[in-house]
Amino acid sequence: KQEVTQIPAALSVPEGENLVLNCSFTDSAIYNLQWFRQDPGKGLTSLLLIQSSQREQTSGRLNASLDKSSGRSTLYIAASQPGDSATYLCAVNSNFNKFYFGSGTKLNVKP
Amino acid sequence: GAVVSQHPSRVICKSGTSVKIECRSLDFQATTMFWYRQFPKKSLMLMATSNEGSKATYEQGVEKDKFLINHASLTLSTLTVTSAHPEDSSFYICSANDGAGVGNEQFFGPGTRLTVL
Repeated sequence: KQEVTQIPAALSVPEGENLVLNCSFTDSAIYNLQWFRQDPGKGLTSLLLIQSSQREQTSGRLNASLDKSSGRSTLYIAASQPGDSATYLCAVNSNFNKFYFGSGTKLNVKP
Repeated sequence: GAVVSQHPSRVICKSGTSVKIECRSLDFQATTMFWYRQFPKKSLMLMATSNEGSKATYEQGVEKDKFLINHASLTLSTLTVTSAHPEDSSFYICSANDGAGVGNEQFFGPGTRLTVL
């Protein structure tokens, strides 16, 4: 069964810093990987989707990379802002659209 | 992107009652939907795969008689928590994708917070 791990579990940074969130998975046979943002008590907001054949995807200040062979993905956030504070989840699609989620990284960006 | 809705967004019920949660794909058809549950400060756990016109497939450890899933149409799946107890209190989220096959982007509903007293 796919196991997804996210490091760190929590991160607190001052506004303006660039930061990297890490996601690792045990089974490299994946269809794609998606990064989500979750605000407290809310649902999921999709940030980036990387197909298994892709190496990276970019959207604004966000850049996600994928190294399928090593079972790793990173989410890079440039010039962080207080509004980026949330929990970031990575999810791996490795079984016909079933997603396996990591436990998340709780990000706090201090003004 | 495609939109998935859930209803209700929040429900409080007494122990022993049954609660139905709806998941709808608003602008696309979904032959398959997925149900997840999230415990406080934990990640999402896949509960079951809802298949239109056939029985749901449950993940290991999920009681199918406890969590009844019905996928009656291409735009609606329902999750019924039967004889709910306080330990069933959780955040329930559904998802669907708007394309056939695998590898498509998943769209998630806003979630339903269930509190069982």
